[in-house]
Amino acid sequence: DVVMTQSPLSLPVTLGQPASISCRSSQSLVYIDGNTYLVWFQQRPGQSPRRLIYDVSKRDSGVPERFSGSGSGTDFTLKISRVEAEDVGVYYCWQYTQWPHTFGQGTKLEIK
Amino acid sequence: EVQLVEWGGGLVQPGGSLRLSCAASGFNFSASWMTWVRQAPGKGLEWAAHISPDGGKTYYVDSVKGRITISRDNAVNSLYLQMNSLRTEDTAVYYCVNQGGMDWGQGTLVTVSS
Repeated sequence: DVVMTQSPLSLPVTLGQPASISCRSSQSLVYIDGNTYLVWFQQRPGQSPRRLIYDVSKRDSGVPERFSGSGSGTDFTLKISRVEAEDVGVYYCWQYTQWPHTFGQGTKLEIK
Repeated sequence: EVQLVEWGGGLVQPGGSLRLSCAASGFNFSASWMTWVRQAPGKGLEWAAHISPDGGKTYYVDSVKGRITISRDNAVNSLYLQMNSLRTEDTAVYYCVNQGGMDWGQGTLVTVSS
């Protein structure tokens, strides 16, 4: 199975400051079709997860531009350019390149 | 507007059974891979089961193989999860998710306890 390792697991950030979450996979996430099926989700307290980024770097409709995804192969990053209060929650990376599909452990973002 | 509405959760004793349902609307359900993702209380997300658009291919996480069956009825835009031989560790919120994780339901809570 592909193991997804996120860091840090806890991320205290000052409002207006940037934040960065790393996600590393134990195997390459490049599929035979050339695509990389790496997704980032945000889960606010008490809510269902919401997809922010798909295919490594494509932002979903309605997602603020301060969220961006990057990376390739086995190394991926979610960046928030300036953290706002509504960004509090847990962030997960997820790969669906290989069976079984697997999630990272989650990174809890909180405001300092 | 995409809607995924799950129901069927509840309290069940260890060894018991439960059938979850998910009603989908607002997208081309019959062309979409569908997934059940679960989340134990206070824990992270776990991909549990996955089904192809025509229902011909199914995949399961090892911990549920042989006990849980995912199925669908494209005629009524519905996804199902038949859960048998339930264990306390199956206690979780179960989410219905469409292709690529694009949309999620509100989840339904399954509690396995005596």
